[in-house]
Amino acid sequence: GQQVMQIPQYQHVQEGEDFTTYCNSSTTLSNIQWYKQRPGGHPVFLIQLVKSGEVKKQKRLTFQFGEAKKNSSLHITATQTTDVGTYFCAGKGGTSYGKLTFGQGTILTVHP
Amino acid sequence: NAGVMQNPRHLVRRRGQEARLRCSPMKGHSHVYWYRQLPEEGLKFMVYLQKENIIDESGMPKERFSAEFPKEGPSILRIQQVVRGDSAAYFCASSPLDRGQETQYFGPGTRLLVL
Repeated sequence: GQQVMQIPQYQHVQEGEDFTTYCNSSTTLSNIQWYKQRPGGHPVFLIQLVKSGEVKKQKRLTFQFGEAKKNSSLHITATQTTDVGTYFCAGKGGTSYGKLTFGQGTILTVHP
Repeated sequence: NAGVMQNPRHLVRRRGQEARLRCSPMKGHSHVYWYRQLPEEGLKFMVYLQKENIIDESGMPKERFSAEFPKEGPSILRIQQVVRGDSAAYFCASSPLDRGQETQYFGPGTRLLVL
């Protein structure tokens, strides 16, 4: 079955440093989504990427979808303490319905 | 427009009891997904339902677990004869009917603790 791997599992940064998490799928995806989960909270949708090579930005966050639509990355510039949480990628395969396969997530800690 | 609602938010059960978790999707959403999350782990897909239909239950354990989404009322995830290993956060998500609008909106989750 489809597998989505995400690295690193943990990332500790000093406030102001950059952060990147990477996501790799075993199969070609029709789209990929990114979610953020604060400690004790629930996953919150950030963005969806659909096109090969797509790049989208949300303020300090930059999302990329690989040319082969099998990998993706999330980059945060100049992290802030409010960025703390777990970032998940979730890939949708080629089936006709919306089942998502989630990566294991990257737990980001930002030290002030 | 209310978001996805789940109740209870916290549930404590003793081994052998039954747990019933409820999920009301966002208004206008007809797709419901259930996920399980262990501490510091990812979200594991359990089941995908539409009204009165189970579309994909490939992530559901074969025994003790069942899910339904009736024509009226919330979706229910039912765990019979709970064991300690069932302790986890259970999240429900919903998405709209339209293909291409597949973003999933998550509820606050039910934290199940089995003593």
